[in-house]
Amino acid sequence: DTAVSQTPKYLVTQMGNDKSIKCEQNLGHDTMYWYKQDSKKFLKIMFSYNNKELIINETVPNRFSPKSPDKAHLNLHINSLELGDSAVYFCASSQGDPRTLSGNTIYFGEGSWLTVV
Amino acid sequence: GIQVEQSPPDLILQEGANSTLRCNFSDSVNNLQWFHQNPWGQLINLFYIPSGTKQNGRLSATTVATERYSLLYISSSQTTDSGVYFCAVLIKAAGNKLTFGGGTRVLVKP
Repeated sequence: DTAVSQTPKYLVTQMGNDKSIKCEQNLGHDTMYWYKQDSKKFLKIMFSYNNKELIINETVPNRFSPKSPDKAHLNLHINSLELGDSAVYFCASSQGDPRTLSGNTIYFGEGSWLTVV
Repeated sequence: GIQVEQSPPDLILQEGANSTLRCNFSDSVNNLQWFHQNPWGQLINLFYIPSGTKQNGRLSATTVATERYSLLYISSSQTTDSGVYFCAVLIKAAGNKLTFGGGTRVLVKP
């Protein structure tokens, strides 16, 4: 069974469209994340939720809106897509407060490749 | 600002060779992890190692927190070791966010 699963894996869409990426984890963790990996492989955190509460909110355009309906799910909705949004988006999960990680490791999904044309 | 720097940026190895990857960080850390991103993009956690030494098969890692660096050793490299190796650190001064280094791209040739 996949521990952290994201859908879709690949997404090609036109500028200006709105799209969502879904993420689910079956590890029983209470913290979930969205990371963005750019074309140079640089990974940067976007958001983190702990028990459905937004804990980390990096400086990202407000076109990006995360939603956590429950501890096992964290979705990412992107409005008015721009060319610069093209990247790989990784969902991840861990146990405990994301600001300490309390000795816990973080587990990543397989990534969602977003291409905006 | 808080920095996590990895070296070398690129590494080409002949199968069977040993190598050392380095991660330097600019402040004391609460959590340090090493990851391997394979050529298909999967990010796999290798080690949680805020201090000390750990070994897992042909891989081992050492973190000297007081000197602000961590090392990842790959012994008897195999082609499946190819990919990008990232260290990620949780630094209180950086707002307690897991911050990734720029990665070391490793290519193991048969």
